[in-house]
Amino acid sequence: AQSVTQPDIHITVSEGASLELRCNYSYGATPYLFWYVQSPGQGLQLLLKYFSGDTLVQGIKGFEAEFKRSQSSFNLRKPSVHWSDAAEYFCAVASMNTGFQKLVFGTGTRLLVSP
Amino acid sequence: GAVVSQHPSWVICKSGTSVKIECRSLDFQATTMFWYRQFPKQSLMLMATSNEGSKATYEQGVEKDKFLINHASLTLSTLTVTSAHPEDSSFYICSAPDSTYEQYFGPGTRLTVT
Repeated sequence: AQSVTQPDIHITVSEGASLELRCNYSYGATPYLFWYVQSPGQGLQLLLKYFSGDTLVQGIKGFEAEFKRSQSSFNLRKPSVHWSDAAEYFCAVASMNTGFQKLVFGTGTRLLVSP
Repeated sequence: GAVVSQHPSWVICKSGTSVKIECRSLDFQATTMFWYRQFPKQSLMLMATSNEGSKATYEQGVEKDKFLINHASLTLSTLTVTSAHPEDSSFYICSAPDSTYEQYFGPGTRLTVT
């Protein structure tokens, strides 16, 4: 079965500093991987996704993620964090046998941004 | 991008009553919608897949008689929590994929059962 691990429950980053959120997945074949952000009162918003091809994926709001098959990881990065980036971030995986529609989510990482 | 709405955004009901939550795709049609449950400070757990014109598919451990799903049209799916109890209090979120299989999520409905 698929699973996603986000080892960091909370992360605090100073505004302007760089950010890396970790995500490890467990899946037998090549997964489809996603990063979503959830802000209070807002629906989950897709930041970026990896299906195939270039393992470094660019997303919205200046985020990027790198797929590393050897490490089963899909870490999210941003070079300079803004106060508005404070939110909950979820990594998710989808599999071919569900038409890539059923998403399995990690437990989430709450990002706090300090001034 | 596509928009998915949910109504209501927050509902309080008494134990033993039923409550209906609506999920609408506003500018696209969705033959499939998904319902998730999210406990405080926890992740989203898929409850069921709502299929337009046919029965919903429930994930293991989800009581189909308690969580009734109806996908009556290509833009509307409803989740009815029947005979609600305090342990059903949670944040319920729906999502719908567009024609490119990208999922769009509703803002969620917070259910409190007293």
